[in-house]
Amino acid sequence: SQTIHQWPATLVQPVGSPLSLECTVEGTSNPNLYWYRQAAGRGLQLLFYSIGIDQISSEVPQNLSASRPQDRQFILSSKKLLLSDSGFYLCASEGQGANYGYTFGSGTRLTVV
Amino acid sequence: QQQVKQSPQSLIVQKGGISIINCAYENTAFDYFPWYQQFPGKGPALLIAIRPDVSEKKEGRFTISFNKSAKQFSLHIMDSQPGDSATYFCAAGPSGTYKYIFGTGTRLKVLA
Repeated sequence: SQTIHQWPATLVQPVGSPLSLECTVEGTSNPNLYWYRQAAGRGLQLLFYSIGIDQISSEVPQNLSASRPQDRQFILSSKKLLLSDSGFYLCASEGQGANYGYTFGSGTRLTVV
Repeated sequence: QQQVKQSPQSLIVQKGGISIINCAYENTAFDYFPWYQQFPGKGPALLIAIRPDVSEKKEGRFTISFNKSAKQFSLHIMDSQPGDSATYFCAAGPSGTYKYIFGTGTRLKVLA
């Protein structure tokens, strides 16, 4: 089965500072990878997805970018954080075989102050 | 055609009762319907999923009912327990693509 590692678990950053959140996947190869953001009490907003190394699709125009330098590594970045970037960021990997669906990481709680 | 509408937004149920959460989709190309359970501060976890070739799927106390003609599906939690208190998300999407559309979530609280 897949395991998603996300870090850090919590992060407090000042407005205008850079951001780098990392996600790594174990237990599968060539997974489809996703970054979601969840605002407090809200649903899941898809930010980026990737079907392979250096293949990134952006869903929502925003202050963030994503990269996939290795097969099982997915990075979410920003050059200058905004207050509106605060939220709960989740990395997900798509399941294989008959049991489709995502495996989510434990998330990063980002607070921009 | 890309929305998944989920209701209710919040739900309070007595221990031992039945919790029912409903979702409706618009895109007839969707053929995979998972439900996720999320505890505070954690990522969502796949709970149960259904494909439209069956009208019902049961796993323990959790049952998905699916109505293809109405484009609706629902999650039933039988004998609800305080440990079931969490946020539940439905999702929908077509097989072979890379994205599922999530509902806005239902916060369930089961009273002891």
